[in-house]
Amino acid sequence: DAKTTQPNSMESNEEEPVHLPCNHSTISGTDYIHWYRQLPSQGPEYVIHGLTSNVNNRMASLAIAEDRKSSTLILHRATLRDAAVYYCILITNAGNMLTFGGGTRLMVKP
Amino acid sequence: DGGITQSPKYLFRKEGQNVTLSCEQNLNHDAMYWYRQDPGQGLRLIYYSQIVNDFQKGDIAEGYSVSREKKESFPLTVTSAQKNPTAFYLCASSIELTAMNTEAFFGQGTRLTVV
Repeated sequence: DAKTTQPNSMESNEEEPVHLPCNHSTISGTDYIHWYRQLPSQGPEYVIHGLTSNVNNRMASLAIAEDRKSSTLILHRATLRDAAVYYCILITNAGNMLTFGGGTRLMVKP
Repeated sequence: DGGITQSPKYLFRKEGQNVTLSCEQNLNHDAMYWYRQDPGQGLRLIYYSQIVNDFQKGDIAEGYSVSREKKESFPLTVTSAQKNPTAFYLCASSIELTAMNTEAFFGQGTRLTVV
């Protein structure tokens, strides 16, 4: 199975950018990189996904390394509402059965 | 509004009783999934269904059963054979099982406590 590695926790100040890293050295050429986040006591919500090129949406940006062995989720201005566990997940051609690791717990300080 | 609904939000049961968790979606999605989450942990896949009348075991299916008689509904039964049933249960859906370029939608979860 394609695996991802993320730091257990990160801390940020409110209104500052946050860069959440993810390593996926065993990624195959057709695997998509997806990010989800989970707020306390809620179900996960989709954030962003990409294959090779960097991606932007209203929530965040996704920067994918040229060799695709790592990626970074960028929150441009962290707010208190962004405090959550962020999961980096590889979607393979085996299907959309998301495999969640431990994720990164982001703490945002006012 | 389209979405995925789990009910109830909190559920208490006595040990040895079977209990069924509801999951309904009106997104017209073919694929549906059940996950279990223990405190401080990530989600683990229990069962998934690619299409009506079809479902497959995930990583931790023992002690659980599902049915998929309608496209919109994917109920999960936690049986008395499940040794540690107290957990947070999450249901999700996506357009297709093999659509890698699409997102999954999650319900708000059911927190099951067995006493």
